[in-house]
Amino acid sequence: EDQVTQSPEALRLQEGESSSLNCSYTVSGLRGLFWYRQDPGKGPEFLFTLYSAGEEKEKERLKATLTKKESFLHITAPKPEDSATYLCAVLNQAGTALIFGKGTTLSVSS
Amino acid sequence: EAGVTQFPSHSVIEKGQTVTLRCDPISGHDNLYWYRRVMGKEIKFLLHFVKESKQDESGMPNNRFLAERTGGTYSTLKVQPAELEDSGVYFCASSQTITGEAFFGQGTRLTVV
Repeated sequence: EDQVTQSPEALRLQEGESSSLNCSYTVSGLRGLFWYRQDPGKGPEFLFTLYSAGEEKEKERLKATLTKKESFLHITAPKPEDSATYLCAVLNQAGTALIFGKGTTLSVSS
Repeated sequence: EAGVTQFPSHSVIEKGQTVTLRCDPISGHDNLYWYRRVMGKEIKFLLHFVKESKQDESGMPNNRFLAERTGGTYSTLKVQPAELEDSGVYFCASSQTITGEAFFGQGTRLTVV
């Protein structure tokens, strides 16, 4: 069964304190691994897609990487505005639906 | 460009009542998805439309849920009769192609009491 597990559930950082979020996945044939950001009271907002091991994508202070079993979202020198829940997802076998992890809630304080 | 819009933002209904949620996708997006997040759990897929056709409804929990997308534009999700376990946040998303890169609405928070 396709599955996505994220850790930690919650992470508190000081502004400027870099860290990484983990996403472990089990899927029969990866059709893409997706990172989303969700702010309170809003829907998920797409960040990155990764398709193959070794691939990396960057956007401002965020960098996503992919191995054969997991993905990392590295946050470099975070700011308070990076506070949000970060969701990891993979496409199901049919390629028609996202399978989400529970997310990591990041809080960055100044 | 307008994003995905969902109505209402919140709904509180009694067990046994009927509720209809509406989703207006981004114009031109043939693919429309419904997801749900129950408290403490992950966001889960409900169903996928391509234009007006149901492509995949494997995530629909039971026959109390009915989704429609007449004319391939907006979609409705009806819950009848509602049960306590139906409480959660219902998200709609749309995309031009079948992809994991979708645009999500802000969600409808449904509370069944």
